[in-house]
Amino acid sequence: AAGVIQSPRHLIKEKRETATLKCYPIPRHDTVYWYQQGPGQDPQFLISFYEKMQSDKGSIPDRFSAQQFSDYHSELNMSSLELGDSALYFCASSLGDRDRVEQYFGPGTRLTVT
Amino acid sequence: GIQVEQSPPDLILQEGANSTLRCNFSDSVNNLQWFHQNPWGQLINLFYIPSGTKQNGRLSATTVATERYSLLYISSSQTTDSGVYFCAAPAYSGAGSYQLTFGKGTKLSVIP
Repeated sequence: AAGVIQSPRHLIKEKRETATLKCYPIPRHDTVYWYQQGPGQDPQFLISFYEKMQSDKGSIPDRFSAQQFSDYHSELNMSSLELGDSALYFCASSLGDRDRVEQYFGPGTRLTVT
Repeated sequence: GIQVEQSPPDLILQEGANSTLRCNFSDSVNNLQWFHQNPWGQLINLFYIPSGTKQNGRLSATTVATERYSLLYISSSQTTDSGVYFCAAPAYSGAGSYQLTFGKGTKLSVIP
């Protein structure tokens, strides 16, 4: 079965650079979520999209922005990177944005800021 | 928002042993998910179990929604079971979205 695809899988950037993470949801899934997991932490919600519209925001820095495109893939743009942005970034997708749906997680992008 | 608590935080098992991981949540939920994060960081969906019991090989899970807890059972543990196990429940933000709130995880180490 098709899964959530994330690219790149690993990314190394220097401070103050920009990064773009991509997420391709499971086919027919219309909802995308982004989560950030710092070292030794649990995943924390950043932002979500339903039917190409932003549906909610968590503790996402103003330096970060994201969007969902017409083909439902999503991109997380991160500017002025800081050392503290080093983390695993997960994308998840679901069919519908309700509490009774399962969220399927991608393999993650490991971002290292030096 | 919803609080999700997991116990124990750390667990060391001899290969072949059985274990039970617990997840308590503060509010009634319509969704409860269990994940395994392997040593490479990948987050693997284990169970979507808002209520009742499900089994998948050596793993099974039970959620008692009325009492706000879920249990993950691992039988005949193998070294490949090592990693961190997370449970997560949806939190309604009030903006029409249900993002998952994760517990702090149980770090399992299975030794040969």
